[in-house]
Amino acid sequence: KAGVTQTPRYLIKTRGQQVTLSCSPISGHRSVSWYQQTPGQGLQFLFEYFSETQRNKGNFPGRFSGRQFSNSRSEMNVSTLELGDSALYLCASSLGGGGMNTEAFFGQGTRLTVV
Amino acid sequence: GNSVTQMEGPVTLSEEAFLTINCTYTATGYPSLFWYVQYPGEGLQLLLKATKADDKGSNKGFEATYRKETTSFHLEKGSVQVSDSAVYFCALEEASGTYKYIFGTGTRLKVLA
Repeated sequence: KAGVTQTPRYLIKTRGQQVTLSCSPISGHRSVSWYQQTPGQGLQFLFEYFSETQRNKGNFPGRFSGRQFSNSRSEMNVSTLELGDSALYLCASSLGGGGMNTEAFFGQGTRLTVV
Repeated sequence: GNSVTQMEGPVTLSEEAFLTINCTYTATGYPSLFWYVQYPGEGLQLLLKATKADDKGSNKGFEATYRKETTSFHLEKGSVQVSDSAVYFCALEEASGTYKYIFGTGTRLKVLA
């Protein structure tokens, strides 16, 4: 069974540009969450999508957005990049149906560097 | 709000030593609790979980017990190996079914041969 796939693995962008990151969840998983990991702030929740709807959102500015497609694949977009957006962005997939099996399975992440 | 506090690292141990990584949490209700492990250059891998008080999660020789009275979920392993060197994260699901995880800051473990 394939795991969570994130593309690209590495990205270098210039301040002011925008970027789109992609995440393909485990087959059959309908929930996709995104996290930002930095040395200073640790792992922080960005948002979670289920069946193409955003169900939860973290405390990030509106420059961070996402969407989910009908095949459960998800993208996140960051506009007007700032140096502080440099981070490892992790995507996690879950079954999404609630109950006891709510564990998240993470991808390897996309390392974004803003210069 | 909800939070997770982990012991500061790095933790350096010799092979076959006993490991404890402390984790305490603050939450309303009874969240599910998790331990994740991150190897260099990789994403997070689920190590174990517990969904209610007194549950014990276990995997690959690691164990953690959900202690409601002390709001703790300490990670233990009886005999560590060099291959266990990684960063360990304690986490809780903010509320059941939200799929929003609150993570601790992570504890780096280094095991020496």
